[in-house]
Amino acid sequence: DIQMTQSPSTLSASVGDRVTITCRASQSISSWLAWYQQKPGKAPKLLIYKASSLESGVPSRFSGSESGTEFTLTISSLQPDDFATYYCQQYNSFPWTFGQGTKVEIK
Amino acid sequence: EVQLVDSGGGLVKPGRSLRLSCTASGFTFGDYSMSWFRQAPGKGLEWVGFIRKKAYGATTEYAASVKGRFTISRDDSKSIAYLQMNSLKTEDTAVYYCTRGGLSGKPVDYWGQGTLVTVSS
Repeated sequence: DIQMTQSPSTLSASVGDRVTITCRASQSISSWLAWYQQKPGKAPKLLIYKASSLESGVPSRFSGSESGTEFTLTISSLQPDDFATYYCQQYNSFPWTFGQGTKVEIK
Repeated sequence: EVQLVDSGGGLVKPGRSLRLSCTASGFTFGDYSMSWFRQAPGKGLEWVGFIRKKAYGATTEYAASVKGRFTISRDDSKSIAYLQMNSLKTEDTAVYYCTRGGLSGKPVDYWGQGTLVTVSS
């Protein structure tokens, strides 16, 4: 199985900060990497797919990038609505696997 | 409007069975694959399984943790996907979500609201 190592597990930041979350795959997944946002008690929401494609309706302050097996989610200017937990997921091969999650908290 | 409604969760004893349903509307159900995910209380997301559309044989894939115990099926005439869960264990306690398979390179796009399954004696 492909292991996804996500860091950090928790991130404290202020409104307006630039935030970066990283996910590393244990082997090549090409660009088959998605990022989700989840708020308490709610279903996850797709933000980014194919490593860097922005889902329709998602604000442009969210972006994704890749370098080999390392993937990054960047929020260019953190907004109050962005405080949530973020997960990466590989869908290059079954079983699909997730990172452990990153909780973005208010500093 | 695309909608997925998860139902069938509840409290069940270890070793018993439960069937979850995912009722879809707002799109042509038969044109899409479907997946199930779960999230144990206070934990991260876990993929459970996947069913292809009938044009691809409605074949299935499962996580190792549920393989042989869980079965995903679909009834395109009713626009429902099912997750049959047998030999339930306490570690199967989670909120279960169904999702619609994405197009254009997306893994999934729409999610159900989730249904809570609690396995406890």
